[in-house]
Amino acid sequence: DAKTTQPPSMDCAEGRAANLPCNHSTISGNEYVYWYRQIHSQGPQYIIHGLKNNETNEMASLIITEDRKSSTLILPHATLRDTAVYYCIVRGHNDYKLSFGAGTTVTVRA
Amino acid sequence: DVKVTQSSRYLVKRTGEKVFLECVQDMDHENMFWYRQDPGLGLRLIYFSYDVKMKEKGDIPEGYSVSREKKERFSLILESASTNQTSMYLCASSLRTGKAFFGQGTRLTVV
Repeated sequence: DAKTTQPPSMDCAEGRAANLPCNHSTISGNEYVYWYRQIHSQGPQYIIHGLKNNETNEMASLIITEDRKSSTLILPHATLRDTAVYYCIVRGHNDYKLSFGAGTTVTVRA
Repeated sequence: DVKVTQSSRYLVKRTGEKVFLECVQDMDHENMFWYRQDPGLGLRLIYFSYDVKMKEKGDIPEGYSVSREKKERFSLILESASTNQTSMYLCASSLRTGKAFFGQGTRLTVV
């Protein structure tokens, strides 16, 4: 029972912003939205997470809609090193389990 | 920085062998996880543990068991390795809730 839906793949031009969508229409009030990415042959890496408000860190920005049913991860200036599989995960405070969906394969092109 | 260390980067075992994959984390995290990753199938959760000696089945526990005798160490055990268990195995840890940190993975080949 997938809690999130992401497009399977997307391309992005180097230097441009990459906007990665995620639908989580069944999210409940205490569930956070997490984003991870996995660069080829490496373990997944945490990017950012949020509950209601938009969040920004040195890697990315996270925009969550007011109804919290969807979110967008923004990589402001994509580089070739951002080519990876990006996973959007919904996880509550009482959820010990951490499951991943198929994610979005993002290819940044020069 | 949090460190999650998996004992081997590459491992080759024979069919029928008992295989231990070890994972150690240094941040006093309560939760630890074992995943396998295969082309086209993504990351699939095998087992997780939320405390010492506690374990829960993930989405694909068949053919595996786990052990968590100490908080920092979580072992994945293949009682009798089979060729369909050839895969990349990833370990992760996290606080009760919150971001997870992953090891670099162990590529296991069963011949």
